[in-house]
Amino acid sequence: NAGVTQTPKFQVLKTGQSMTLQCAQDMNHNSMYWYRQDPGMGLRLIYYSASEGTTDKGEVPNGYNVSRLNKREFSLRLESAAPSQTSVYFCASTVTGTVYTEAFFGQGTRLTVV
Amino acid sequence: AQTVTQSQPEMSVQEAETVTLSCTYDTSESDYYLFWYKQPPSRQMILVIRQEAYKQQNATENRFSVNFQKAAKSFSLKISDSQLGDAAMYFCAYTPGYSGGGADGLTFGKGTHLIIQP
Repeated sequence: NAGVTQTPKFQVLKTGQSMTLQCAQDMNHNSMYWYRQDPGMGLRLIYYSASEGTTDKGEVPNGYNVSRLNKREFSLRLESAAPSQTSVYFCASTVTGTVYTEAFFGQGTRLTVV
Repeated sequence: AQTVTQSQPEMSVQEAETVTLSCTYDTSESDYYLFWYKQPPSRQMILVIRQEAYKQQNATENRFSVNFQKAAKSFSLKISDSQLGDAAMYFCAYTPGYSGGGADGLTFGKGTHLIIQP
């Protein structure tokens, strides 16, 4: 009963470094999402993927790239990290289409860029 | 674009009392879903309650209930018999209903920090 698994849980990067946040779900969901959470801002959508091989920009996509490797996995890449990308990142998944089910969230990744 | 507004950054309530958290939203869609999520210090996002816009009946889950006013675009959460474990950030969220909902992700409010006084 893993649900949505994110790795790593914590990360510190230096400005300009790159990294990939990994996300995997075992619920056979078709849609997956990446959000960021900043103090006082709620969660904001970075990218989403309605199915394998498709991705779309959300509200705050600049500075990020994503890859929907297969139905289970959806990764978020920071090519050149900036202090403005210090945030908590959440991956989520759900079933969309005929019926919408609730979104299930991973436990988040706290990223600090120094 | 849809927006979700939570006008109460922080609320405080005595244990066993009732508290209401406010949420308003703006959308041109007629079909959509609304949610309340709880985020305790562990950071985990936990779904508290959901409401489909086409349903007139207000959703209820044990001590949690909503007051959904579609014309006013208002979606408040009432927590009855507040418990210490209810202390958390609460987020109101919206998603349009086309494609079954969720296709564009969730739009969140900024959250309300709920404090439970023993």
